[in-house]
Amino acid sequence: DVKVTQSSRYLVKRTGEKVFLECVQDMDHENMFWYRQDPGLGLRLIYFSYDVKMKEKGDIPEGYSVSREKKERFSLILESASTNQTSMYLCASSLRSEFEQYFGPGTRLTVT
Amino acid sequence: AQSVTQLGSHVSVSEGALVLLRCNYSSSVPPYLFWYVQYPNQGLQLLLKYTSAATLVKGINGFEAEFKKSETSFHLTKPSAHMSDAAEYFCALYEGTYKYIFGTGTRLKVLA
Repeated sequence: DVKVTQSSRYLVKRTGEKVFLECVQDMDHENMFWYRQDPGLGLRLIYFSYDVKMKEKGDIPEGYSVSREKKERFSLILESASTNQTSMYLCASSLRSEFEQYFGPGTRLTVT
Repeated sequence: AQSVTQLGSHVSVSEGALVLLRCNYSSSVPPYLFWYVQYPNQGLQLLLKYTSAATLVKGINGFEAEFKKSETSFHLTKPSAHMSDAAEYFCALYEGTYKYIFGTGTRLKVLA
């Protein structure tokens, strides 16, 4: 079974802090994704990566950056956390040749 | 523009009753469509997918969905609801270039 793990299930940070969310997948997937999930809005893509060191902006990249130094790991960085970044963050991965995504358990981030 | 619309943000059914969750899509190309389920405080899990093979797609946990091109629909059904089906369900469309469009979700409540 594909396993996607995220470094924290719950995180509380203060406004202005730099926040790192990490995601690791164990199935050698080329593609990795970061989404945020907010009630009534579904999932919105922040960034995705189709290869090591490659990244593409999604629909809402403002205030975020990402890093993919190794194939299995994809990090989401909030440069200066703000209260409007309080949300559930979901990481996903997929094979280049397949369309289905595999999701991690999510990180519920609260910025106070 | 491609889009996904889920009708009904909340659906309640009695245990043993038919489950019907509605999804309509808009796509200029033959779509790849997915249904995911999210249990409380967990990530999304793939229920089933349509990738232009059979129009009736069977998934896990007794769910199935029928692709109807003429109606641009991909509704999710289950003949008999179980308490364990209570969750949030997301319909998704593969937009291309690694991007997916998710519906806003339908929360299913199962009444004893």
